[in-house]
Parts: sequence; structure tokens; C-alpha cells
Amino acid sequence: GDSVTQMEGPVTLSEEAFLTINCTYTATGYPSLFWYVQYPGEGLQLLLKATKADDKGSNKGFEATYRKETTSFHLEKGSVQVSDSAVYFCALLNYGGSQGNLIFGKGTKLSVKP
Amino acid sequence: KAGVTQTPRYLIKTRGQQVTLSCSPISGHRSVSWYQQTPGQGLQFLFEYFSETQRNKGNFPGRFSGRQFSNSRSEMNVSTLELGDSALYLCASSPGGTGAYNEQFFGPGTRLTVL
Repeated sequence: GDSVTQMEGPVTLSEEAFLTINCTYTATGYPSLFWYVQYPGEGLQLLLKATKADDKGSNKGFEATYRKETTSFHLEKGSVQVSDSAVYFCALLNYGGSQGNLIFGKGTKLSVKP
Repeated sequence: KAGVTQTPRYLIKTRGQQVTLSCSPISGHRSVSWYQQTPGQGLQFLFEYFSETQRNKGNFPGRFSGRQFSNSRSEMNVSTLELGDSALYLCASSPGGTGAYNEQFFGPGTRLTVL
């Protein structure tokens, strides 16, 4: 079945460091790909998405490119801030009869130190 | 526009009891999905309701059930609680329909603790 694998955390960085969180997927067909972020004590927020190969999703300085040839959707940010400390989830959605079946990776906890 | 609301936010139950969680989607959204989040298993899809019908179901035992009302509000029920049911239960709403993807908006979750 479909699955998502993302790098295990935690990841600890200093402020203004470069961030990469790796995400690869296994899926039939042409899934849509997402990055969600979860701040402490809160639900999930959609950070960015890409719906077809070579699409680049971007938001709040974060970027990820849908690479079908490597089945990857790595999250990057050029300069992290303390406020970026959170858990990041890579997810995919395969079109079918339902819109509800997001498949998530295990999550990567990011801690940014001042 | 108000976001997705879930009630209660925290719940403590004992083994063998049953529990009902509630989710109110964003106004106008017709699809509600439920997810279970645990440290060991991560985020797992429970089920999705659209226009009062279960449209998709994850791999959970029959103790987990849900329903959706005509105003799109949804409830999920867990009967005969087990310790392993302790989790954060997240509800997500989306406009629904078929075809193009509709973004899912998540609520803050209900933290269930089973003692």
C-alpha cells in the first residue's frame, strides 16, 4: 500500500541555520503531497502542498519540490527561526473515491535554539 | 470564519468504558475525517464522512465508529476502551465533493487518556 517515510528526529538547529527534512513516498498513480506542521498543544496546519510532478510548494520561507523520479518531497528552509520549532509531517493523498485518506509519515521534531 | 472545533479537549476514562467525541466542521464543509495520533503509530486514518455517509474507512476494529449529522457535525465513538486507545484524536474538515483535492483543515484535537 501507499506509504511515507521521513527522517527521524529530533533535529536541533541554531537560529538562521539551513533546514532539510527528507521525505520519500511509495504510491501508485499520481498522489498529491503535503507538509503539515504541528505546534505544541495544537492540531495540524497545512504548510505547503504540490499536486503534480515538478510542482514546488512554498509558504513562510519553506519550500518542497515534488520529484517523481526520486519519489521525494524534501522540506527546506534557508534560515530557520526559533518560532519554527514544531513537529513536521510529510503526507500524501491518492485520488480515489474519497478525499479523506491522508497518509502521514512519522513526523520530525524540529528544535531551533537562539 | 470559525475553524474546526472539537469537544471535549481532554477526556479521562477507564478501561471498558465508552466515549463519544464531537467535531464541528468549518461552515459549508461537508466532509469530516478522523485521525488517531499516538507516539508509537503516528497519525492513522480512522474514517471519513461525507453528506452523512461513511465514504472511507481505515484499518481499525469495530469498536471505533462514527456518524455525521445533517449539519455536517460528526461524532466518533469508541466502545470498550482499552489502554492502547489513549491518543490524540484529530478531526479534519474539507469542502468535500469529488475530483480535485480539497484542503483539509484540522481541529485542535481531543486528548483521550484511558486508565
